[in-house]
Amino acid sequence: QVQLVESGGGVVRPGRSLRLSCAASGFRFSDYAIHWVRQAPGKGLEWVAVLSHDGNDKKYADSVKGRFSISRDNSNKTMYLLMNSLRTEDTAVYYCARDFDGYCNSGGCYYYYMDVWGKGTTVTVSS
Amino acid sequence: EIVLTQSPGTLSLSPGERATLSCRASQSVSLSHLAWYQQTPGQAPRLLIYAVSSRAIGIPDRFSGSGSGTDFTLTISSLEPEDFAVYYCHLYGSLPPGTFGQGTRLE
Repeated sequence: QVQLVESGGGVVRPGRSLRLSCAASGFRFSDYAIHWVRQAPGKGLEWVAVLSHDGNDKKYADSVKGRFSISRDNSNKTMYLLMNSLRTEDTAVYYCARDFDGYCNSGGCYYYYMDVWGKGTTVTVSS
Repeated sequence: EIVLTQSPGTLSLSPGERATLSCRASQSVSLSHLAWYQQTPGQAPRLLIYAVSSRAIGIPDRFSGSGSGTDFTLTISSLEPEDFAVYYCHLYGSLPPGTFGQGTRLE
């Protein structure tokens, strides 16, 4: 069964750090790019970051660039999102999602739609 | 950067009725790189449609997508009770990788 399971959410004070994990099962993890998408309470979906299948290409939303860092361990089928200098506006449910068919060529890396989603983990940044 | 605008914000219909949801891009979308997701309360988004009009695995044929250029539509031919949810369009294959519309609530 193809599955993504997020963990690591919690309550944290502004300025602190938190690391989220996304564990994959049921598919060849190393073949797929993985996205992080978040949803603030009562709001829509906001794309956060993506990491290519081999970990060589990383892209971030402007709202998190320089504060968040994405990485992966293909041997353990796990993706990570390290969130530093957290702000109250980072409060959200964080989802990881599999990219269906992203690819890289000489022109760069291009990412597709998200065909498998985890159930999400909640991050609350509050003093 | 292309911006996606969905309309209406909220659509009020009854089971059995036809729903038409719109997603408009601020610039022409190339290569039919548009997807739709459904999100029910407390759940993760679910892929419905990709490449403008292709249904994802397991999606009933009452869901259909259409459009080109800057105007795209998700149609639900006859609403079932489980279809009342929030729907998002998503532009992919360009930068930034994850451009979403703001969502349409179907109630």
